[in-house]
Amino acid sequence: NAGVTQTPKFQVLKTGQSMTLQCAQDMNHEYMSWYRQDPGMGLRLIHYSVGAGITDQGEVPNGYNVSRSTTEDFPLRLLSAAPSQTSVYFCARPEHFTGSANTEAFFGQGTRLTVV
Amino acid sequence: DAKTTQPPSMDCAEGRAANLPCNHSTISGNEYVYWYRQIHSQGPQYIIHGLKNNETNEMASLIITEDRKSSTLILPHATLRDTAVYYCIVRSGGTSYGKLTFGQGTILTVHP
Repeated sequence: NAGVTQTPKFQVLKTGQSMTLQCAQDMNHEYMSWYRQDPGMGLRLIHYSVGAGITDQGEVPNGYNVSRSTTEDFPLRLLSAAPSQTSVYFCARPEHFTGSANTEAFFGQGTRLTVV
Repeated sequence: DAKTTQPPSMDCAEGRAANLPCNHSTISGNEYVYWYRQIHSQGPQYIIHGLKNNETNEMASLIITEDRKSSTLILPHATLRDTAVYYCIVRSGGTSYGKLTFGQGTILTVHP
């Protein structure tokens, strides 16, 4: 999807390993988010950021860290992977609603993570 | 944000209109109705949103009842590529900080 790039697309980790999912946007947008999606479920918000240096927790933050040193990048870190973190992860430039105008959300193509 | 209820699945013939309902009986005055869809394994895609007036864009139409307790997404001429999970989301105006709450959605299957 235009403007939001996620890497890698697929990853297999062993329990206890660490890794960073990369997300970059080229739209100079303030807001960015990370979601996870498990089979048969909708997306759940992990962490979000409203600007460089500012992050906050979403619905399911445990086991994940984020940072926002630049506007462009919003990496998601798994410090010690667990099988429960097997999921599809989506980075998004969320919608920005101003009351009179709206910028629609853009989602990345997803990272399929398996923890064995 | 108000809770939404959608049927788990629907079928539609190719070329016909697909009408996807959504109930949001607890919606409050400043909450908007958003529709997204997710085609197999891809990231969600924004379709349309509205407050109380009917809305139309190049992808779909959104019909919101006068009491705003329910809405219908209409794909006027469904194609096989419209097969996807459709999510109805209700959230307040202002800055959401990306906190979209996705429910189970409706699996729409368009068949030849």
